[in-house]
Amino acid sequence: QQQVKQSPQSLIVQKGGISIINCAYENTAFDYFPWYQQFPGKGPALLIAIRPDVSEKKEGRFTISFNKSAKQFSLHIMDSQPGDSATYFCAASKADSNYQLIWGAGTKLIIKP
Amino acid sequence: DVKVTQSSRYLVKRTGEKVFLECVQDMDHENMFWYRQDPGLGLRLIYFSYDVKMKEKGDIPEGYSVSREKKERFSLILESASTNQTSMYLCASSFTDTEAFFGQGTRLTVV
Repeated sequence: QQQVKQSPQSLIVQKGGISIINCAYENTAFDYFPWYQQFPGKGPALLIAIRPDVSEKKEGRFTISFNKSAKQFSLHIMDSQPGDSATYFCAASKADSNYQLIWGAGTKLIIKP
Repeated sequence: DVKVTQSSRYLVKRTGEKVFLECVQDMDHENMFWYRQDPGLGLRLIYFSYDVKMKEKGDIPEGYSVSREKKERFSLILESASTNQTSMYLCASSFTDTEAFFGQGTRLTVV
């Protein structure tokens, strides 16, 4: 019930295309869903996050879509660029666990020029 | 800018050695975390701390211990290093219910 399942494990997208990464969770008590971006040799950094009171959040080319009934959320990267090549992690947390993050396994994204 | 600094980028240690990984944050965050990152397994929580001298086990605490004597510093200790502890170790800090900030990671190799 604590798991967050992330797919795909790896993804190759042409420059200018849309990259889509999906996550699914079981625990309906989760109420915070961030996405982190990690470049090689660096620690992860927060990219965008959503709470379940909204179905979508957009920041520039990055959008989180959230489906509460399906217990799924996804990251969409529009007009993908080579600089977006990184590993992306979804996560989930809840208030009664002090917002300890439960992580997906990660998606390695490669944008081909 | 928030800064989380890990003491070493790369470490090579021998099997059986006691290893100390240090992490310091400069934003007065209450929460600090130690993760290990392995390919295909994502980030796995080793230990976390919500206050000075307080620690909680994460998902994979076996073979590790931690120390938090000051709010800004959180140390990870490998009591007797083994080859299966070769990994990338990441420290993070946060206020409750906010963004977690990560250090750059320590790549530990145990030979």
